Amino acid sequence: GENVEQHPSTLSVQEGDSAVIKCTYSDSASNYFPWYKQELGKGPQLIIDIRSNVGEKKDQRIAVTLNKTAKHFSLHITETQPEDSAVYFCAATGANNLFFGTGTRLTVIP
Amino acid sequence: DSGVTQTPKHLITATGQRVTLRCSPRSGDLSVYWYQQSLDQGLQFLIQYYNGEERAKGNILERFSAQQFPDLHSELNLSSLELGDSALYFCASSVSSGVYEQYFGPGTRLTVT
Repeated sequence: GENVEQHPSTLSVQEGDSAVIKCTYSDSASNYFPWYKQELGKGPQLIIDIRSNVGEKKDQRIAVTLNKTAKHFSLHITETQPEDSAVYFCAATGANNLFFGTGTRLTVIP
Repeated sequence: DSGVTQTPKHLITATGQRVTLRCSPRSGDLSVYWYQQSLDQGLQFLIQYYNGEERAKGNILERFSAQQFPDLHSELNLSSLELGDSALYFCASSVSSGVYEQYFGPGTRLTVT
């Protein structure tokens, strides 16, 4: 089945700096790659997603890039703010369901 | 707020017992997914229902079962509970039968003592 690896597991950045989280997947048939943000005590929140026919997608300060050949995709957050502090999960499709990475705890230092 | 609701928020029960978790999807969504989140296993897909029918199955134990009712709300039944079943259980919903654009509820924290 699909295997999704996510790095780093923790990331600390200064407010205003950029943050990058990387994921790799194993199933070449995967065609959908969402990113979720989970704050303490809450459910995962869909923040951006990309399909396999697109290489990059942006939404304000957030962008996702996909390299199908290398089977990896990344989340980029620019001009980070304290409210960006959370755990971020990547996911990839496989066998009619989503497989999630192990999460990255992002801390934005004011 | 995603529009997905889950009850109860917290549940504490003893080993061997049976519990039911409830989920109401966003208005207009036909698919409901159940996930388990634990520290050692991460976020794992359990089962999906689409418009009342089982659509996909993941790592769901035989002691667990789910159903989706005509009003599209869903229930996850967990029986013969073990200590290892303690986890967060999330429901997500989406418009289509595919896995795209899933919106998660706030979760139910289950503690088995």
